[in-house]
Amino acid sequence: NAGVTQTPKFQVLKTGQSMTLQCAQDMNHEYMSWYRQDPGMGLRLIHYSVGAGITDQGEVPNGYNVSRSTTEDFPLRLLSAAPSQTSVYFCASSYRSTTYNEQFFGPGTRLTVL
Amino acid sequence: AQSVAQPEDQVNVAEGNPLTVKCTYSVSGNPYLFWYVQYPNRGLQFLLKYITGDNLVKGSYGFEAEFNKSQTSFHLKKPSALVSDSALYFCAVRDSDNAGNMLTFGGGTRLMVKP
Repeated sequence: NAGVTQTPKFQVLKTGQSMTLQCAQDMNHEYMSWYRQDPGMGLRLIHYSVGAGITDQGEVPNGYNVSRSTTEDFPLRLLSAAPSQTSVYFCASSYRSTTYNEQFFGPGTRLTVL
Repeated sequence: AQSVAQPEDQVNVAEGNPLTVKCTYSVSGNPYLFWYVQYPNRGLQFLLKYITGDNLVKGSYGFEAEFNKSQTSFHLKKPSALVSDSALYFCAVRDSDNAGNMLTFGGGTRLMVKP
């Protein structure tokens, strides 16, 4: 199993550009989520999905869109990048819920918006 | 609302000494508590969790954590630290009253183990 994979590993954008961060998992996990990690603030949940076709907002959803057309993939779209979106982004997956099952994290995407 | 606090940005300990990384939480229902570790340039890895039952939870790499309901704490401990334990540690909580399955993470504590 590859686990949770993320691409790209690094990305530099100009303000106003759009891009998609890719996330895929091969563990047949129902639950997938996107976090951003900023110094001193831990991880903050952006969006999450409890299954194909179902998505919901987390703590900091503004400026981001997601979709879940398959169980395996959960891409994160930045519609118009802003410097405030400079961060490290992590995708995570787990079975059904975070209550009884630990989350598996991808290696992260380091995004810089100039 | 659920929240979690890690009061120490960094903890320094000598190799072979016991270590403690502190975590306190706030929930309205019952807490589901987790510890994760992050090594440089890597994603987070699950260490251990408390859902219910015994207050002392044992996890990966010799780590354990003690749930204390009266003090609303879930401190991470290890009897004898290794240099390889140096990493960033995150505590996370979910409130049993939260139907959204969302975890809230603390700000992280950097553990430095010196030889």
